[in-house]
Formats: sequence, C-alpha cells, structure tokens
Amino acid sequence: GENVEQHPSTLSVQEGDSAVIKCTYSDSASNYFPWYKQELGKGPQLIIDIRSNVGEKKDQRIAVTLNKTAKHFSLHITETQPEDSAVYFCAASQDAGKSTFGDGTTLTVKP
Amino acid sequence: DAGVIQSPRHEVTEMGQEVTLRCKPISGHDYLFWYRQTMMRGLELLIYFNNNVPIDDSGMPEDRFSAKMPNASFSTLKIQPSEPRDSAVYFCASTGTAYGYTFGSGTRLTVV
Repeated sequence: GENVEQHPSTLSVQEGDSAVIKCTYSDSASNYFPWYKQELGKGPQLIIDIRSNVGEKKDQRIAVTLNKTAKHFSLHITETQPEDSAVYFCAASQDAGKSTFGDGTTLTVKP
Repeated sequence: DAGVIQSPRHEVTEMGQEVTLRCKPISGHDYLFWYRQTMMRGLELLIYFNNNVPIDDSGMPEDRFSAKMPNASFSTLKIQPSEPRDSAVYFCASTGTAYGYTFGSGTRLTVV
C-alpha cells in the first residue's frame, strides 16, 4: 500500500519568514495530494491540494509543488504569521476514497 | 452547509461501558471515514464507507469496535466494552468527487 513520509516533525520560524514542509510517497499510482491544517481542538482542514497533472499551485501565501518523478511534494508558506501556527498534514491518494496521511508537522511561528 | 457534524463533542465514561459516537456527513458526499487521533499514533484510519457500504475495516483495532452506516446521512462508531486505552479524539470525515476530506470537530473520548 501507499506510504507517506513527512519532514520535519517540528518546525519553528520567525514571523515573516518562510516555512517549507516536505513529503514523499511510495505509490506511483497516487494522483491527488492534499494538505491539511489542524489547529488546537479542531479537526484537520483542507488548505490546498494538487493533482498529478500539475507541478505547482499557489493560493495567496501558500503554495504546493509536486515532483512526480521523484515522488515528492512540498508545502511552502511565505510571510508566516502567528496564526499559521498549527499541525500540518500531507496526504496522498488515488482518485476519490482513501488517503494515506503523513505523521504531521508542528509549525510554530514566533512573533 | 453545516459541515460534518459529530456528537458528542466530549464523552467521559467508565471502563466497561458502551460508547456510541455519531456522525452526519456532508450531503452528497459518498465516502465516510472514521479516524482516531492520539499523540503516540497520530491519525489512524479505522474504517471507511462508500455509498454506505464498509470498504475497509482493517484499521479497527479489535472486535470491541464496530461501525455502521444505515443511510447516507448517518454513521455510528461503537465501542463495547470500552477500555482506558481507547481514550483518544475520534474524527469523522466525508468526501465526494472533489476528493479532499471535510473533517468534523471530533469527539474527545476519555475512558476512566
């Protein structure tokens, strides 16, 4: 089955700096790669996703890149703000249905 | 849209008691997932349904756990009998053709 590895497990940055979280996946058939943000006491929330026919996608301060050949994808957050502090999860799936999640990255943005 | 609705938000029960967690998915979503989250094991997929039919229950830890989806708008996860090691946050999520999950707010279960 699919295996998703996520790094780093914790990340601390100064407000205004950029943050990058990386994931690798094992199943070349995976074609959908979402990212979720989980704030304390809440469920994970989808913040951005990318499909395998696209190399990069951007939404304001967040962007995701995908390298299908190397089987890795990354989340980039620019101009970080304290409210970006949360746990971020990457995931991979084939079409609709079951996603395999990474173990999560705890991002702390220091004011 | 009210999103995925889970109840109760918090549940404290004594060891050996039956616990039932409830979930209402987003209307029109044909996949429903139950996850358990703990500090030690992260997000674990317990079971998922497609069009109300269980597809993969390999994550259900033992026979004490059972899940049903009697119709497209309701699912339950039952633990009988409950044990302290079942203490965790249980999430329900649903998805449709857009693929991305919508998670509920979770049920924090404490078994004492």
